[in-house]
Order: sequence, then C-alpha cells, then structure tokens
Amino acid sequence: GALVYQYPRRTICKSGTSMRMECQAVGFQATSVAWYRQSPQKTFELIALSTVNSAIKYEQNFTQEKFPISHPNLSFSSMTVLNAYLEDRGLYLCGAPGLGDAEQFFGPGTRLTVL
Amino acid sequence: GDKVKQSPSALSLQEGTNSALRCNFSIAATTVQWFLQNPRGSLINLFYLVPGTKENGRLKSTFNSKESYSTLHIRDAQLEDSGTYFCAAEDMGYKLTFGTGTSLLVDP
Repeated sequence: GALVYQYPRRTICKSGTSMRMECQAVGFQATSVAWYRQSPQKTFELIALSTVNSAIKYEQNFTQEKFPISHPNLSFSSMTVLNAYLEDRGLYLCGAPGLGDAEQFFGPGTRLTVL
Repeated sequence: GDKVKQSPSALSLQEGTNSALRCNFSIAATTVQWFLQNPRGSLINLFYLVPGTKENGRLKSTFNSKESYSTLHIRDAQLEDSGTYFCAAEDMGYKLTFGTGTSLLVDP
C-alpha cells in the first residue's frame, strides 16, 4: 500500500498556543489530502479536504482560521492548530488516495495533548 | 443522526470463534473501507470495496450498496485480532464518513 508519514507523532502544547503538523506521501502523488481528527473515545471527523491547485474545502465546525492547511506540492501537506484548547485534543490523521483507485491510506497520526 | 451506524460497539470473543461486524449507511455510499486501529492509533487498511465481496485470510467483507450496508466477518478469531474496527463510506470525492467503531477483544 501507499506510504504516508506524519510528524510529529506526539506533541504537547499549552492552552492558547499553536502547533503545526506535517504529512508526507512517499512513492505516490497525493493530489488530494484529507485531514481527520479523532477526539478521545470518538470516531474520526473530517476537518478538510485539500486538493493541489484547488480551494481547500472545510467541513462544518472546522474553519481555515482555526486549522490553516498548506498543500504546496504532490507529496506534502501541513496543518496548524491555532490557539489550541482542550477540545482540540486528539489524534490527527492525514489520508490520501493511493495509486490507481480511491482507496485511502493514512499516516500514523499526530497525537495532540493540550495542557 | 449518525450517517454510518456501526454495530456492535463492543465485542468479546473466545479465540477460535467467528463473528460479524456491520455498518448501515444513511448516505449513498459508493465505496467502503474497513480499518483496524491498533493500540498506537494507526489505521491499518483491511478492505477497500466497491459493491461486492472480498476475502483475505480469515477476514471477509461484503458491501451491498442497494441495501446500504457492509459487513466484516472474522473467522477463527486470534488474539492479535483485538483492536478497534472502523468502517468508512465514501459518497463523494475522497471524503470518508467513519462509523463509530467496534472494540473487539479476543480472549484465550
């Protein structure tokens, strides 16, 4: 399957500060990258879908002002959690469709803890 | 309500037994994926389905788009099958809507 890396794997930030997480596709072109969040004891929510050379589409309850995303090329995407608070805790995954079809492969996630 | 309803929410199996997980969709799913989330949080791809059935070792999955459901059958459960299973449906453009997950514990 396709390989997706995420960095950092774990991070802790103080309430009110911001942190940036990165997503790297290896061995394939990630034309589209989707960012998801899994809050504690919950399922995965789509934050936004980013397509190179196209506008980033944010889901309801998520905004560019809070979760700005950069997707400058076909192998890299980053997302920042601005002004993080307790409700932003969770596991953030990036996913991209692999070669040939729309099966999505996910990175190992960035686990965010907010103090 | 939930667009993807997954059941059961939790399941305990004896090693060597069989079981089935199910997802019902209230969206027009075109494809379905099944994942296993390991204790570290990583999602392991199990199946990617268009309508139909796939089998891989002790796992078998079916996606019935007309009746809007998908199932994952586990045969001869092993200890290493323990974890949380998620289904996810795609209805448009790489957007996956995840089920609520099934927490599976396989006991010796």
